[in-house]
Parts: sequence; C-alpha cells; structure tokens
Amino acid sequence: EVQLVESGGGLVQPGGSLRLSCAASGFTFSSYSMNWVRQAPGKGLEWVSYITSSSTTTYYADSVKGRFTISRDNAKNSLSLQMNSLRAEDTAVYYCARVYYNYMGVWGKGTTVTVSS
Amino acid sequence: EIVLTQSPGTLSLSPGERATLSCRASQSVSSSYLAWYQQKPGQAPRLLIYGASSRATGIPDRFSGSGSGTDFTLTVSRLEPEDFAVYYCQQYGSFAYTFGQGTKLEIK
Repeated sequence: EVQLVESGGGLVQPGGSLRLSCAASGFTFSSYSMNWVRQAPGKGLEWVSYITSSSTTTYYADSVKGRFTISRDNAKNSLSLQMNSLRAEDTAVYYCARVYYNYMGVWGKGTTVTVSS
Repeated sequence: EIVLTQSPGTLSLSPGERATLSCRASQSVSSSYLAWYQQKPGQAPRLLIYGASSRATGIPDRFSGSGSGTDFTLTVSRLEPEDFAVYYCQQYGSFAYTFGQGTKLEIK
C-alpha cells in the first residue's frame, strides 16, 4: 500500500524550531519529487516547499523562504522539513504529498504544528 | 504568482443535482498543470482531476473537469451524499504551486 506518514509536529514557542518528517512506503520513493503543503485552522491549502527526486532542486513559498529547509534521504525513504524562526502564522496541519507531473496524487494524514507562547 | 479564484465560495445543492464549480486564474495556466482536489473534514485532500480533465484513479465518472487558459470548471453530474465537501483547484507555474481558496459544497 502506498503510504506517507508525517511526524514531528507539536507545540513550539514563537522563534523556535521544529523538524517534521514524512516516512514513505509502498512505492519507489527515490523516483518522485515531493511537496509539503500546510493548512491553517479553518483555512485553505497553502503550498510550502518542493524537492526533486534527487534533491537537486528545491522551491519555497515566499512566506517560508529563508526560514524553512526541505530535504530528503532516499536511502531511508524519508522527507524532512526543518522549520526555524517559527511564527504564529505557521500554525497549521502540515501534509507531505507525492508529486507527479506537478499534481499531488498521494497525501499523508498530516501533522499539527502549533506556534504559541 | 498566479492567483486562483474559485467561485462560488459555498454551493448549496441537493443529492442528485448537478454541481458546477469554477476556478479562474489571474493569468493563463497550462492545462497540464491544473488539478482539482476534494477534502472532507479531518481528512487529507484527495486528487480528483489532473491535467484539467483527466480523472485520477478510482474517481467516479460523475466527476469531470474542463477548461483552458484562465477558466476551468469541475462538474459533478449527479451529487451523491459523499460528495459534499470542500473542493480546491491547484496549478503549477513559475516554480511555485498555488491553490484556490476552495468551494464548500454543502447539502441544501
């Protein structure tokens, strides 16, 4: 079964850091680009970051550029998102999603990040 | 950045009726890069349509997508109870992905 499972969410103070992980299984992880997408409480979907299959290219939304870093370990079938200088507006459910031809066909269930003092 | 505007914000219909959801882009979008997703409360989004008009695996044929350029449409031909959810369009362009703000399809 194709599956993505996010972890690492939690409560963090403004200015703090958090590292999210996404464990992939059931498919050849190293063949796919990946995205992080987030959803603030009661709001719509917001793309966060993208990484190619071999990590050669990464993109970021302007709202997180310079603060978040996406990375992957194909040997461990794992995707990560390092989040620094967190703000209240970063509070959201964070989803990892498998990319194919620039659409997202497989999503994890998400992990919740709350930035609050 | 390409902005996607979905309308209406909320659509109230009854099971068995036809739903037409609109997604308008601030500039031309390649049809290859336009997708639609369905999201139910507490769940992750699910891909419905990619390439503007191709149904994803396992999606019933009552869902169809159309459009080109700046105007795209998702149609649900005969609403089933499980179709009431929030729908998002999404595009890729200029090294970024954007989503519309969503259309909530609710039971009348």
